Amino acid sequence: NAGVTQTPKFRVLKTGQSMTLLCAQDMNHEYMYWYRQDPGMGLRLIHYSVGEGTTAKGEVPDGYNVSRLKKQNFLLGLESAAPSQTSVYFCASSYSGTSGSKNEQFFGPGTRLTVL
Amino acid sequence: AQRVTQPEKLLSVFKGAPVELKCNYSYSGSPELFWYVQYSRQRLQLLLRHISRESIKGFTADLNKGETSFHLKKPFAQEEDSAMYYCAQNTGNQFYFGTGTSLTVIP
Repeated sequence: NAGVTQTPKFRVLKTGQSMTLLCAQDMNHEYMYWYRQDPGMGLRLIHYSVGEGTTAKGEVPDGYNVSRLKKQNFLLGLESAAPSQTSVYFCASSYSGTSGSKNEQFFGPGTRLTVL
Repeated sequence: AQRVTQPEKLLSVFKGAPVELKCNYSYSGSPELFWYVQYSRQRLQLLLRHISRESIKGFTADLNKGETSFHLKKPFAQEEDSAMYYCAQNTGNQFYFGTGTSLTVIP
């Protein structure tokens, strides 16, 4: 099992450009999450999904869109990138999101995005 | 808003010394709390959760509802414990992570 994979690993964008980050998991998890990690800010939840075809806003959703057309994939889109979106983006998945032993999150390796 | 606070950004201890990484939460209900760890060049991974009441790699964490704390402790730090540690809480479907504490164990 590959677990959680993220594509690409690195990307440099110019302000105003768009891009899509792909997250894939092969663990048949229902829940998937996108976080951004910034120095001194920890991990902040951007959007999440509780199942195929559903998405919801997290703590910092502005400037991002997501889609969960297939259970195994969770896409994060930046329509018009801004320098404030320079960050490391992490995808995670879990079998469940509610309390209990099945809500352990499994993380991807991260995508380092720089917006000039 | 639900918040998790880790007051120490950096923490250095000598090998063999006790270590405590502090975490305070603000959720008024019954929180579910976790410690995640990120070793150098590895992915973020679950270290332990409060409902399990287990010791992982010598680390333990006790939920103190009176002090709204979930501090991570280890009696004798090892060099391989050097890593970034994140406290997190689950409220419904969302996880809230603290800002992290970078632990360095000095040989």
